[in-house]
Amino acid sequence: GAVVSQHPSWVICKSGTSVKIECRSLDFQATTMFWYRQFPKQSLMLMATSNEGSKATYEQGVEKDKFLINHASLTLSTLTVTSAHPEDSSFYICSARRTANQPQHFGDGTRLSIL
Amino acid sequence: GENVEQHPSTLSVQEGDSAVIKCTYSDSASNYFPWYKQELGKGPQLIIDIRSNVGEKKDQRIAVTLNKTAKHFSLHITETQPEDSAVYFCAASSMDTGRRALTFGSGTRLQVQP
Repeated sequence: GAVVSQHPSWVICKSGTSVKIECRSLDFQATTMFWYRQFPKQSLMLMATSNEGSKATYEQGVEKDKFLINHASLTLSTLTVTSAHPEDSSFYICSARRTANQPQHFGDGTRLSIL
Repeated sequence: GENVEQHPSTLSVQEGDSAVIKCTYSDSASNYFPWYKQELGKGPQLIIDIRSNVGEKKDQRIAVTLNKTAKHFSLHITETQPEDSAVYFCAASSMDTGRRALTFGSGTRLQVQP
């Protein structure tokens, strides 16, 4: 168990476009989901923590108006990159956790390329 | 905040040999230490984790040791196989704080030579 699905896996779009990425916990209910960003050959950097039914908590330096996070249900969180620009190109990965004392399980990421 | 350092950054071993990856952490409040394996183009996969109330945990060819006093923990892979080749990340967090976010190490690229 503990499968996390992320969609789409890959997206290319023009500068100025808004892109929505979905993260779903398929076989469990996730009280908390996390969004990370990963540059090539680097580690994962936490962007924000999302609890179901409440506003996301953003890490320092992450623009909340740029990266909109919605966690409307216990199995779905979405990240919308608004007015994306080439510097937003990256690998975005979500993770989900049943409860505070449970491990985080990751999706397979979304590779975002902004032209 | 927490700071996790991981070494080495790259590791090449012959098939059948053992591989050891080491991490140190700075926050004495951290009490949960997972290890993730990330293959190219994929998300990280949890392979083993340890909590601070134990010093060692083993799962088949994989083991993790924790030294709370020294604030370091290690991943041991025995009888390595080519399919073990991947990037491995250690992480640390506290289960006692409201945030409970993971802080990741910088990763180790393991190459198992057949």
